[in-house]
Amino acid sequence: NAGVTQTPKFQVLKTGQSMTLQCAQDMNHEYMSWYRQDPGMGLRLIHYSVGAGITDQGEVPNGYNVSRSTTEDFPLRLLSAAPSQTSVYFCASSYELPGVYEQYFGPGTRLTVT
Amino acid sequence: AQSVAQPEDQVNVAEGNPLTVKCTYSVSGNPYLFWYVQYPNRGLQFLLKYITGDNLVKGSYGFEAEFNKSQTSFHLKKPSALVSDSALYFCAVTSAGKSTFGDGTTLTVKP
Repeated sequence: NAGVTQTPKFQVLKTGQSMTLQCAQDMNHEYMSWYRQDPGMGLRLIHYSVGAGITDQGEVPNGYNVSRSTTEDFPLRLLSAAPSQTSVYFCASSYELPGVYEQYFGPGTRLTVT
Repeated sequence: AQSVAQPEDQVNVAEGNPLTVKCTYSVSGNPYLFWYVQYPNRGLQFLLKYITGDNLVKGSYGFEAEFNKSQTSFHLKKPSALVSDSALYFCAVTSAGKSTFGDGTTLTVKP
């Protein structure tokens, strides 16, 4: 298993550009989510998905879109990048059974918007 | 809504001494609680979790945490700190694929 993979690892964008951060998992997990981490802060939930075809907003969804067409992939789209979106982005996948909860994070994408 | 509080931005301990990093939470229903560690410019590293069962949870690198339902706390502990434990520690409460993180506590262990 590769676990949770994220691409790219680093990205520099100009204000107004759009891009997609990729996230994939090969563990057949039902749940996937995106977080951003600003310097000196904890992670904040952007969007999450409880299964293919189902997404919902988290704490800081503005400026981002997601879709979940397959169980494996959960891309995050920045529609028009702004300097305030400079951050490190983490994707996670997880699954839940009675008495069991497993969660895995990807290595992160460091995004700079100039 | 769920929330997590880490009341201390910074914890300083001497090597060899016990350490505690505090975490309190608020969630409806049964909590799934996690501790993660993060080294500079690195991702999150899982330490331990409470899902159900024994209130004392043992994790990686000698860390443990005690789930206290009445005090809604999940403090991270280690009997004898190492300099290499110096890092940023996050507590998180998780439900149905959504995690809420505390703001983190920077642990500094001095030789």
